[in-house]
Amino acid sequence: GAVVSQHPSWVICKSGTSVKIECRSLDFQATTMFWYRQFPKQSLMLMATSNEGSKATYEQGVEKDKFLINHASLTLSTLTVTSAHPEDSSFYICSADAGTLNSPLHFGNGTRLTVT
Amino acid sequence: AQKVTQAQTEISVVEKEDVTLDCVYETRDTTYYLFWYKQPPSGELVFLIRRNSFDEQNEISGRYSWNFQKSTSSFNFTITASQVVDSAVYFCALRSIGSNFGNEKLTFGTGTRLTIIP
Repeated sequence: GAVVSQHPSWVICKSGTSVKIECRSLDFQATTMFWYRQFPKQSLMLMATSNEGSKATYEQGVEKDKFLINHASLTLSTLTVTSAHPEDSSFYICSADAGTLNSPLHFGNGTRLTVT
Repeated sequence: AQKVTQAQTEISVVEKEDVTLDCVYETRDTTYYLFWYKQPPSGELVFLIRRNSFDEQNEISGRYSWNFQKSTSSFNFTITASQVVDSAVYFCALRSIGSNFGNEKLTFGTGTRLTIIP
């Protein structure tokens, strides 16, 4: 079945540094990828929708300059948390859409970011 | 706008009991998809089921069953003979097919934390 690979699975960084998270669709082309953020014991909140070759669409309240999204190919989207601060510590998870309306939206295993 | 409500924040049942997780959704679109995902402590999201708005037939898969009722906008999930491995957070989600075709996002409910007591 379709698989989405997300890397790294966890990362610890110092305040002020930038962190890049990769999301790859392994056996299908993902025209659209979604990035979610999940705080402890809370639901998944959509941050942005990225389409291959175009600018990402950010949800209200999400800083586009802080959370840079690049969807350079049909199999790879990246989320870069720039100048990370402790409040950015969270669980980030991506999902990839194979392009069919009834696709289950395959999810990566998530990245746990801790900013010290 | 679309919305998913999971009123049960936490549920605990003793192993082998049956348990039903409730999900109520709101959407103005006539075409939509409903999903259930399981999130174990390790964090990954495990896809359980997808249902489209035109298919109200209930589904059973092993110990899992789903009851979709458009009249009440509900898509409830029942686990029979629960097991400890069923302990996880369960999310109901809605994907509406509206005017923004091609970027239909998945809206999640707040999740229900299910604990199966041995």
